[in-house]
Amino acid sequence: DTEVTQTPKHLVMGMTNKKSLKCEQHMGHRAMYWYKQKAKKPPELMFVYSYEKLSINESVPSRFSPECPNSSLLNLHLHALQPEDSALYLCASSQTPGQGLDYTFGSGTRLTVV
Amino acid sequence: QQQVKQSPQSLIVQKGGISIINCAYENTAFDYFPWYQQFPGKGPALLIAIRPDVSEKKEGRFTISFNKSAKQFSLHIMDSQPGDSATYFCAASYASYDKVIFGPGTSLSVIP
Repeated sequence: DTEVTQTPKHLVMGMTNKKSLKCEQHMGHRAMYWYKQKAKKPPELMFVYSYEKLSINESVPSRFSPECPNSSLLNLHLHALQPEDSALYLCASSQTPGQGLDYTFGSGTRLTVV
Repeated sequence: QQQVKQSPQSLIVQKGGISIINCAYENTAFDYFPWYQQFPGKGPALLIAIRPDVSEKKEGRFTISFNKSAKQFSLHIMDSQPGDSATYFCAASYASYDKVIFGPGTSLSVIP
């Protein structure tokens, strides 16, 4: 299995909702990432779980909360989002963190906040 | 200093032509330079990558040229095809920095 699987593919949520995005990989990769991508822009790193240690991009608001239940799963919990949070949320994994050598991205979750 | 610059922002090439995308960086600590290809509705996919001790790397129709002294690198797509129409991101990283810095992207359209 050489894929990163993200669910759901599309999500529409209100500003008072709580939802979660899920990501799964079975490649034995030791690092997993959440990226946010706005239209016609490059991906922006939000969170890194590398060897079970969390690193946070300090510009990410607290209404985004990552969780890594085990080395194959990564969740992103969403609460009280704003319309400007609408974007494509990408999960990625890597066996060699920091080198970009084998970053594998999922197809993403298209999130719309209404 | 962590920025990666990329040009052009968009590119239209006729089928069979050569597509050229250029990137530049400032941080000499970068030691790995991947290129990602992204189709609409999909995540980026690693296309080809190079390290600064190599001046050129070719994989099929895709070639990276690397100029370490100028801190520039470029992607050449030979015999461009409509299926190559996508957004291309150059990127940079180094081993002790667990982050990939992406360029702003180039939207490539290959017309018949």
